[in-house]
Amino acid sequence: AQSVTQLDSQVPVFEEAPVELRCNYSSSVSVYLFWYVQYPNQGLQLLLKYLSGSTLVKGINGFEAEFNKSQTSFHLRKPSVHISDTAEYFCASLPGAAGNKLTFGGGTRVLVKP
Amino acid sequence: KAGVTQTPRYLIKTRGQQVTLSCSPISGHRSVSWYQQTPGQGLQFLFEYFSETQRNKGNFPGRFSGRQFSNSRSEMNVSTLELGDSALYLCASREGLNYNEQFFGPGTRLTVL
Repeated sequence: AQSVTQLDSQVPVFEEAPVELRCNYSSSVSVYLFWYVQYPNQGLQLLLKYLSGSTLVKGINGFEAEFNKSQTSFHLRKPSVHISDTAEYFCASLPGAAGNKLTFGGGTRVLVKP
Repeated sequence: KAGVTQTPRYLIKTRGQQVTLSCSPISGHRSVSWYQQTPGQGLQFLFEYFSETQRNKGNFPGRFSGRQFSNSRSEMNVSTLELGDSALYLCASREGLNYNEQFFGPGTRLTVL
């Protein structure tokens, strides 16, 4: 069975400061990993995904994530946040096989302060 | 291409009623998945449909059901509504079961009174 743990439920951060959102996964099979962002009253938007290859993945809006197989982690980072990055962020895993479902972490709410 | 659309966006029902939510996937996408999002339980997978067949199912009671039409549009039905069914219901589509990226709609906010 898969599980995804986001270690921080809320992360306050000042504008232009860096931010890191932590995600750990567990799976008995190889997985694809994703980060999604959800703005208030909206659906989920894909920020980035790890399928294979380079462990450093770059996404939209200046976000990047690093896949670490030995630590079963997929932490999300941004070197300098903007007010508009205030949102909820979800880490998710998908087994590397057809027809399987996304498993989401509990979410991390990022509040960017001026 | 237009994104995933869900109707209605907001819905208020009372306990015991039933409700039907609709999802239109991105053109060309044949797989539709449904998720429930609540503050307490987070995002939970309900089911996935592909080619009008349910391919995967989460751990929800039988009151939650769905279907998919030949044009890939999908509906989700909840019968005998309970207060705990109040949630944001998200629909996501992908090209097929072998495609890993899912595209989400804006959701339907269901409130059960």
